Amino acid sequence: AQSVTQLGSHVSVSEGALVLLRCNYSSSVPPYLFWYVQYPNQGLQLLLKYTTGATLVKGINGFEAEFKKSETSFHLTKPSAHMSDAAEYFCAVSYGGATNKLIFGTGTLLAVQP
Amino acid sequence: DTAVSQTPKYLVTQMGNDKSIKCEQNLGHDTMYWYKQDSKKFLKIMFSYNNKELIINETVPNRFSPKSPDKAHLNLHINSLELGDSAVYFCASSQVAGRDEQFFGPGTRLTVL
Repeated sequence: AQSVTQLGSHVSVSEGALVLLRCNYSSSVPPYLFWYVQYPNQGLQLLLKYTTGATLVKGINGFEAEFKKSETSFHLTKPSAHMSDAAEYFCAVSYGGATNKLIFGTGTLLAVQP
Repeated sequence: DTAVSQTPKYLVTQMGNDKSIKCEQNLGHDTMYWYKQDSKKFLKIMFSYNNKELIINETVPNRFSPKSPDKAHLNLHINSLELGDSAVYFCASSQVAGRDEQFFGPGTRLTVL
């Protein structure tokens, strides 16, 4: 079955430090890849997505992610963390087509220490 | 203008009751979804409609019945509520099913007592 693995349910970084949130998918067919952020008591907001083309994708709020087919990974990074980045981050995949759904990872809670 | 709106935001009810959650999107999208987020924050799709037609129906109890009166609305009706139904329910929409970004509503926190 297709699945998404997010390594590390909790990640803590210092303000100004590099943020690295890991995401791996299990599929021989490259999927469409997404990172969403969820702030407390809010819905999900798209950070960035990869469909085709350039494998390094830039998103909002200074985040970027790189699709590595050989590693079946789509890790999310940000060079310098801000306090406002503290939130839950979800990696998700879909395989296209009308009946294909968004499959979410279990989420990573990012804490940013002052 | 809110892109995807849900009502109510909070819903507290007793076991055995029937309740509905409404969702509306003003983005002109063709596809709408319902997701359930449990207490561990895990998100799972429940249903998807494309142009008022059901296209995804995960293994959800029959007590849950989605209804799409038009492509801008997707409501969720739940019969005979159980304790395990307590969760946050999110509505979402997208232009093209599967490939495009999904826009999420603010969620409805359902608490069954």
